[in-house]
Amino acid sequence: NAGVTQTPKFRVLKTGQSMTLLCAQDMNHEYMYWYRQDPGMGLRLIHYSVGEGTTAKGEVPDGYNVSRLKKQNFLLGLESAAPSQTSVYFCASTRRIDRAGQPQHFGDGTRLSIL
Amino acid sequence: AQSVSQHNHHVILSEAASLELGCNYSYGGTVNLFWYVQYPGQHLQLLLKYFSGDPLVKGIKGFEAEFIKSKFSFNLRKPSVQWSDTAEYFCAVSGGSYIPTFGRGTSLIVHP
Repeated sequence: NAGVTQTPKFRVLKTGQSMTLLCAQDMNHEYMYWYRQDPGMGLRLIHYSVGEGTTAKGEVPDGYNVSRLKKQNFLLGLESAAPSQTSVYFCASTRRIDRAGQPQHFGDGTRLSIL
Repeated sequence: AQSVSQHNHHVILSEAASLELGCNYSYGGTVNLFWYVQYPGQHLQLLLKYFSGDPLVKGIKGFEAEFIKSKFSFNLRKPSVQWSDTAEYFCAVSGGSYIPTFGRGTSLIVHP
């Protein structure tokens, strides 16, 4: 199994450009998440999804949109990129959320630079 | 709302030294607690987790963590670190919403 796959791995954009980051998981997980990782800030949740067709805002949703049209895919969009969105983006998925505390499975990350 | 605080932002140790990384959380109810490790250039991987039972949890690579409910703490320990433990370590907590909140991370450098 590939687990969680993110594409692309690296991207450089100019301010104002748009792009979509793709996250795909082959584990039939219900929950999917998008985080950004910045030095000294840890991981901050951008958006998440609890199932196909559903999305919800996380801690830092402004400037991003997401879609979960298929259970295995979770797309993160930047409509008009800004330098403040320069970051490393991680996608994660979880089998289900219950009292047993399912751990998250992470992708390898997308390093995005906005000039 | 839940929150996580990792007290040590940067830790530098020599090989064979003992390690303890602090993690405190705030949440009034039942929690699930996690430690993840991120090796240079890689994604986060689960080290260990606690959700119930024995408060002393053993994970991979010789790591363990102790859940102390009265102190809202979940500190990570390893008796003897190796150069290969150089990485960033993240504590995470999930409470009622079951959506995890991560701490800011602790960067560990182990000198050979």
